[in-house]
Amino acid sequence: GEDVEQSLFLSVREGDSSVINCTYTDSSSTYLYWYKQEPGAGLQLLTYIFSNMDMKQDQRLTVLLNKKDKHLSLRIADTQTGDSAIYFCAESTSNTGKLIFGQGTTLQVKP
Amino acid sequence: NAGVTQTPKFRVLKTGQSMTLLCAQDMNHEYMYWYRQDPGMGLRLIHYSVGEGTTAKGEVPDGYNVSRLKKQNFLLGLESAAPSQTSVYFCASSYGTAETQYFGPGTRLLVL
Repeated sequence: GEDVEQSLFLSVREGDSSVINCTYTDSSSTYLYWYKQEPGAGLQLLTYIFSNMDMKQDQRLTVLLNKKDKHLSLRIADTQTGDSAIYFCAESTSNTGKLIFGQGTTLQVKP
Repeated sequence: NAGVTQTPKFRVLKTGQSMTLLCAQDMNHEYMYWYRQDPGMGLRLIHYSVGEGTTAKGEVPDGYNVSRLKKQNFLLGLESAAPSQTSVYFCASSYGTAETQYFGPGTRLLVL
């Protein structure tokens, strides 16, 4: 079945770049998403990429998609303490729009 | 626009009690979803709806029922709560299958 995997924790220093990785199994994925969850809050869509794209850049965020390896990454440039949160990767494949989420990566930004 | 709202924000139940979680959206979205979030497991889909009057099972539907009598509302029911249903419940909605899902703030449920 469909499966999405992420590493659970990443710690970086303020000002460094962060790279959060995600792998997925379903080759028929149409859209791949990155969501951010701050403590006690819901999920906020950060960015998404269509499966026929390799890269998408949006200000400090860069998404890279390697469809051959089924690997997705989110790079945050100049990471700030406000970026500390849990980041979820999700894929959408079926006609129902159902999202399959990874376990989430907790990003800790040290001052 | 309020977006997606959820009621209540927090609830404590005893085993065997019942309750209904309400999700409302004011964006005229066709699709609505209920997820649960457990530590280390990400979000898992419980039930979803592709339009008013329709519902379907997701990944973890057992112990839950849903109804979509009005387009803007999606209700999640627990008929007989169990401690395993202690979780944070999120509702989401979208225009269509390839559209962004917008999430509510979540409902924290504790079953004792």
